[in-house]
Amino acid sequence: DVKVTQSSRYLVKRTGEKVFLECVQDMDHENMFWYRQDPGLGLRLIYFSYDVKMKEKGDIPEGYSVSREKKERFSLILESASTNQTSMYLCASSPRLAATDTQYFGPGTRLTVL
Amino acid sequence: EDQVTQSPEALRLQEGESSSLNCSYTVSGLRGLFWYRQDPGKGPEFLFTLYSAGEEKEKERLKATLTKKESFLHITAPKPEDSATYLCAVQGAGNMLTFGGGTRLMVKP
Repeated sequence: DVKVTQSSRYLVKRTGEKVFLECVQDMDHENMFWYRQDPGLGLRLIYFSYDVKMKEKGDIPEGYSVSREKKERFSLILESASTNQTSMYLCASSPRLAATDTQYFGPGTRLTVL
Repeated sequence: EDQVTQSPEALRLQEGESSSLNCSYTVSGLRGLFWYRQDPGKGPEFLFTLYSAGEEKEKERLKATLTKKESFLHITAPKPEDSATYLCAVQGAGNMLTFGGGTRLMVKP
């Protein structure tokens, strides 16, 4: 079974703090993704990575950065957290990009920025 | 731009009352249509991938079908444990997934 894990289920941070969200997958997948999910807006892609040290912007990259130093790990960084970044953050992975490959999701991190 | 619209937004069923969820889409070069189930506070769980019109897939009480413009998720004799939000997503020529807003299904005993 594909397993995608995220470092925290719930996180509470203060405005201006630097926040790290970690994601690890154990299936040797090439691609990893970060989404945020908000009521009424659905899932929106923040960043994705198709290889180690490679990253591409998604639909809403502003205010976020990412890091992929190892194939199995993909980190989402909020350089200076703001209240409008309060959301559910979902990490996903898939085997290949240039094919119809299913994305498998982690359990999510519910981030609250006060 | 790829678009996905799911209907209804919410659906209440009695246990055993069969129904269907709709996913309408516009996409340039459909590579795949995906159905996920999401329980409250959790990540989406993969259910099905459909690749071409006419294809059908089944899993327990769920059956997904695909036409050139829409997909249906049929739920036969649902049970309370089928209560969840069901998400539809398409992968087009651009490779990324575009998600619909989801249908929140509530099955009462």
